[in-house]
Amino acid sequence: EVQLVESGGGLVKPGGSLTLSCAASGFTFNSAWMIWVRQAPGKGLECVGRIKPKTDGGTADYVAPVIGRFTISRDDSKNTLYLQMNSLKIEDTAVYYCATVISGRLDAWGQGTLVTVSS
Amino acid sequence: QSALTQPRSVSGSPGQSVTMSCTGTSSDVGGYNYVSWYQQHPGKAPKLMIYDVSNRPSGVPDRFSGSKSGNTASLTISGLQAEDEADYYCCSYAGSLYVFGGGTKVTVL
Repeated sequence: EVQLVESGGGLVKPGGSLTLSCAASGFTFNSAWMIWVRQAPGKGLECVGRIKPKTDGGTADYVAPVIGRFTISRDDSKNTLYLQMNSLKIEDTAVYYCATVISGRLDAWGQGTLVTVSS
Repeated sequence: QSALTQPRSVSGSPGQSVTMSCTGTSSDVGGYNYVSWYQQHPGKAPKLMIYDVSNRPSGVPDRFSGSKSGNTASLTISGLQAEDEADYYCCSYAGSLYVFGGGTKVTVL
């Protein structure tokens, strides 16, 4: 069974940093395309960024509002996906989900972790 | 990338059918057959309901169906049931990333 467990959320001040983790199990993580999606309180879903497996180059793409501030990485030896968030803004407040990407669909999702940016 | 356009809400009585639209552009919905739909109940993670425009993952009832014409995709729920009351989000591949709709709240009257 595919399982994704996010952690690392919490309260951080504007301008601060936070790193989220997504522990994966039940599938071959090192060959998986992975994505981070966020949902601001009472709002819709927004793709944050996606990372390819190392066999496809291991590069990541990001949505415009987070370019230069967020970095997605992966540790295939630990079956873990990361989202490093710097220079956080109030508008980054959201539940952050990780998900697997299979052929154009977001197949399995974690339960999410809440990030609150507030002074 | 702009969000896809969905109606804010649709409603129907149990047993009825409801259809919701998802309008994008030729750079997303119209350009790829990678349209998917997600159901989200309050406080829960989204769940994949339809992928590749019209395919259902195993375990999703056949009451759920999807289609696409040009830059607009649609999700139809036939034989509406109480447990179908939720938010539904469309999503399309857009070249390197994915773009979502704003969500449609389905109310079962």
